[in-house]
Amino acid sequence: ILNVEQSPQSLHVQEGDSTNFTCSFPSSNFYALHWYRWETAKSPEALFVMTLNGDEKKKGRISATLNTKEGYSYLYIKGSQPEDSATYLCAFMVTGNQFYFGTGTSLTVIP
Amino acid sequence: DVKVTQSSRYLVKRTGEKVFLECVQDMDHENMFWYRQDPGLGLRLIYFSYDVKMKEKGDIPEGYSVSREKKERFSLILESASTNQTSMYLCASSIWGTTGTYEQYFGPGTRLTVT
Repeated sequence: ILNVEQSPQSLHVQEGDSTNFTCSFPSSNFYALHWYRWETAKSPEALFVMTLNGDEKKKGRISATLNTKEGYSYLYIKGSQPEDSATYLCAFMVTGNQFYFGTGTSLTVIP
Repeated sequence: DVKVTQSSRYLVKRTGEKVFLECVQDMDHENMFWYRQDPGLGLRLIYFSYDVKMKEKGDIPEGYSVSREKKERFSLILESASTNQTSMYLCASSIWGTTGTYEQYFGPGTRLTVT
């Protein structure tokens, strides 16, 4: 079992604040890194798939960066809104079709 | 849109009961997965399947079995439910995507309580 860590475990921010979380993974045998958003009572939804060192992805106010050499990815949310409240999961792929998930960061945005 | 559905959102069973959790996907995906999620732990893989009648153990298969008789359906079976199997169970399917890697699609989860 590969160790994928996410920090912080939970976060409360005020509406309008910007925030970021970290996903750390083994730096060897990297294949891909996935970010998901999991809102309560819904299915986890894919945000980003990152495959290359130095990748940067952006979707609206959310962006992510990837450093495969040191084994981390950052997820940034600019100007947090209450609808951003969710658990954010990262999943690391070595090869093939197996995903190794972190424990998630639970974000609560306070109006 | 890919749709992955799970038969129940909430389920309460007694210790020793046989429990079936059903998952159906409508996109003809080859690969299907069962995970469980517990507080403080990431999603942990129980079993996965690459094709009909094929199954592979994941990281925590003990106490579970699976069945895949049709491509669209993947069932998780708890032969004799125990309280330590109280958890959120997530089903997923995956396909090779335009991103150059496999992409997973999840169901909404089944919260199982074993009393």
